[in-house]
Amino acid sequence: DGGITQSPKYLFRKEGQNVTLSCEQNLNHDAMYWYRQDPGQGLRLIYYSQIVNDFQKGDIAEGYSVSREKKESFPLTVTSAQKNPTAFYLCASSMVAGGYNEQFFGPGTRLTVL
Amino acid sequence: DQQVKQNSPSLSVQEGRISILNCDYTNSMFDYFLWYKKYPAEGPTFLISISSIKDKNEDGRFTVFLNKSAKHLSLHIVPSQPGDSAVYFCAASDRQGGKLIFGQGTELSVKP
Repeated sequence: DGGITQSPKYLFRKEGQNVTLSCEQNLNHDAMYWYRQDPGQGLRLIYYSQIVNDFQKGDIAEGYSVSREKKESFPLTVTSAQKNPTAFYLCASSMVAGGYNEQFFGPGTRLTVL
Repeated sequence: DQQVKQNSPSLSVQEGRISILNCDYTNSMFDYFLWYKKYPAEGPTFLISISSIKDKNEDGRFTVFLNKSAKHLSLHIVPSQPGDSAVYFCAASDRQGGKLIFGQGTELSVKP
């Protein structure tokens, strides 16, 4: 049963703590992406990775970091430098980066920083 | 600078009628467009796409129209069903970059 999993679904952290969100896919996709969604706004790209051991900043990368050590996994760390971390975070993957192929999304993680 | 805009935050339609969701873009390099449907607290699911070489793509009750000269696309849902109630996002990309740029979303409510 192929898909994208994100864990946990809900996450609470104290201000000033780093937190890592998990994203795993078994679709054998090359490209993976992290987005954040805020109320009344579209999805904004944080980071993306086209191949293993390579990643690029998206539109709102400040305060976030990622790694891509395995094809299946693309964890996102929300650091204490992120000024407004409370949001709904979505991970996605696509067969390849570029070209005409859609992105598939995971169920999301809602992060609340207290 | 919002490159993809959905100017209607919400739309209410009667069951059985047509729903028309609109999307405008500014970047003439965009050549691939997608529509996603999203329920609260879930990830978006892909609905339908269209490349710039076409002006229409149909899949069951869903049809996407692309007007390149106006930089405008629309999603038609006919007939609308209560289960279609969700937030709809349009997205665009240029073939080279592969990144998707999303609009702000339109919340569709289909009333029985």
